[in-house]
Amino acid sequence: KAGVTQTPRYLIKTRGQQVTLSCSPISGHRSVSWYQQTPGQGLQFLFEYFSETQRNKGNFPGRFSGRQFSNSRSEMNVSTLELGDSALYLCASSLETGAESSPLHFGNGTRLTVT
Amino acid sequence: GENVGLHLPTLSVQEGDNSIINCAYSNSASDYFIWYKQESGKGPQFIIDIRSNMDKRQGQRVTVLLNKTVKHLSLQIAATQPGDSAVYFCADPDNQGGKLIFGQGTELSVKP
Repeated sequence: KAGVTQTPRYLIKTRGQQVTLSCSPISGHRSVSWYQQTPGQGLQFLFEYFSETQRNKGNFPGRFSGRQFSNSRSEMNVSTLELGDSALYLCASSLETGAESSPLHFGNGTRLTVT
Repeated sequence: GENVGLHLPTLSVQEGDNSIINCAYSNSASDYFIWYKQESGKGPQFIIDIRSNMDKRQGQRVTVLLNKTVKHLSLQIAATQPGDSAVYFCADPDNQGGKLIFGQGTELSVKP
């Protein structure tokens, strides 16, 4: 079974631009979560989608948004990029919503660099 | 606020020795914990989990111990191998959906 697939793997953008990252969950998984990983803040939760609905959101500004499609694939968008948005963005999928009900399986991330 | 935290940011062990990675948590209501391994250039990989009705759970070469009295858990890796070199995170699910609260991670280095 294929794992979580994230595209692109690397991305370089300039300040003020916007970016869209894509995530394909493991087949059959209906929940997709997004995390930001930086050396200073570690792994921080962005949001979770289940059945095309945002179920939970972390403490990030409104510039960070996401959506989920009917096939469970998900995208996240960051508008008006700032230097501090440089990070590894990780997507994780699970069978059901709620990290206690089924483990999260992570993709290898998209490395975003903002210059 | 952060619920889980690791004791040491780095740990160096000799190949073949046992490794112990520690994690403390603050929320006494936490009842489920997960350990993840993150190798360079990859996303976190699920290793093992434990629920609060257990004190110990064993996997292949790994054991997780949970001490609810002092709110501490540890990951023990037996006969550590070079392939075990990675950053290890303990994580605690928030009660709201798919949110995991991660510790800062311990980087394990295995010396040949």
